[in-house]
Amino acid sequence: AQRVTQPEKLLSVFKGAPVELKCNYSYSGSPELFWYVQYSRQRLQLLLRHISRESIKGFTADLNKGETSFHLKKPFAQEEDSAMYYCALQSGGYQKVTFGTGTKLQVIP
Amino acid sequence: DVKVTQSSRYLVKRTGEKVFLECVQDMDHENMFWYRQDPGLGLRLIYFSYDVKMKEKGDIPEGYSVSREKKERFSLILESASTNQTSMYLCASSLWDGNNQPQHFGDGTRLSIL
Repeated sequence: AQRVTQPEKLLSVFKGAPVELKCNYSYSGSPELFWYVQYSRQRLQLLLRHISRESIKGFTADLNKGETSFHLKKPFAQEEDSAMYYCALQSGGYQKVTFGTGTKLQVIP
Repeated sequence: DVKVTQSSRYLVKRTGEKVFLECVQDMDHENMFWYRQDPGLGLRLIYFSYDVKMKEKGDIPEGYSVSREKKERFSLILESASTNQTSMYLCASSLWDGNNQPQHFGDGTRLSIL
């Protein structure tokens, strides 16, 4: 069975500090990993996916198959980054997605 | 831009009632999903559908059923609502093109069962 673990429920950082949101997964096949974000009073939306290898809003995430991790990083946190972040693993022909429990990022001015 | 619309933002029902949550998407997506979102538990998949009239159980299907009579519409049904079904319900859709495509979410329905 596939599983996604986000160990931190809440992560508080000061504005300008580096951010790392942790995500570990367990899956026997070749996973596809995503990060979704939910800003206050907005719908859940895609932030980035590992296959695109792009930086969105300054965030990057690298898939480390050896450590089964897909941590989300940003060198300098901004107040507008405060949100709920979910790591997700997608697999199977019907695109079943397993989400982590989420990490609330709080950027302190 | 993909639009996933859930019929209600807030809904209050009573224990034992039959409750319908409706979701419509306008991008001709094959896949549609229903999740519930609870603090500390993240998103948990209730049911999903990969085609009209097709459905698959997710991780927590007990107490729920679904209906997909048309491609654009996916309904979640609480057969006999109970207080432990008070939650935020999210609908999502995604394209199937042979690759894993991201999901597009609606605004959610906050359901309270009294």
